[in-house]
Amino acid sequence: KAGVTQTPRYLIKTRGQQVTLSCSPISGHRSVSWYQQTPGQGLQFLFEYFSETQRNKGNFPGRFSGRQFSNSRSEMNVSTLELGDSALYLCASSLEGWEKLFFGSGTQLSVL
Amino acid sequence: DQQVKQNSPSLSVQEGRISILNCDYTNSMFDYFLWYKKYPAEGPTFLISISSIKDKNEDGRFTVFLNKSAKHLSLHIVPSQPGDSAVYFCAASGGVTNAGKSTFGDGTTLTVKP
Repeated sequence: KAGVTQTPRYLIKTRGQQVTLSCSPISGHRSVSWYQQTPGQGLQFLFEYFSETQRNKGNFPGRFSGRQFSNSRSEMNVSTLELGDSALYLCASSLEGWEKLFFGSGTQLSVL
Repeated sequence: DQQVKQNSPSLSVQEGRISILNCDYTNSMFDYFLWYKKYPAEGPTFLISISSIKDKNEDGRFTVFLNKSAKHLSLHIVPSQPGDSAVYFCAASGGVTNAGKSTFGDGTTLTVKP
């Protein structure tokens, strides 16, 4: 069974631009969640989607948005990038969203 | 307000000895607790979990203990091996009744010296 796939692996953007990150969950998993990790910090919860509906949202500004498609694949979008958005963005999938998460390798975003 | 705290940023132990990683939480609604291990340039991988109805769960060299009254859990690794060197994250979720969000601590970097 293929694991969680995130693309791209690395991204370099400049302030003010927008970016879209993609995540393909494990087959059969209906829950996809997104986390941000900055150096020395834990994983900060962004949002979670279950069967195409956003079920939970973290404390991030509206510049951060996401969606989930009918095949459970998910995208995350960040508009008007700021320097502080530089981080590792991790996607995770699970069957129902409360049990163990399976993480992708992440997208390392650098904002210059 | 950090609901899941790992107060030790780092821990160093000798190979063969016990590693004990600690985690405290504040939210009484947390129902399910997990530990993840993370190597550089990789996503976290699930290690072991425990439901709030239990106080101990074992899986090989890894044991997780839960003290609900103290809102404290710990991960014991016995014996520790150099390959265990990684960042360990404690996480908590609301379980089945409040699915969709896991709250993570800041992580503890474990170094196991040969």
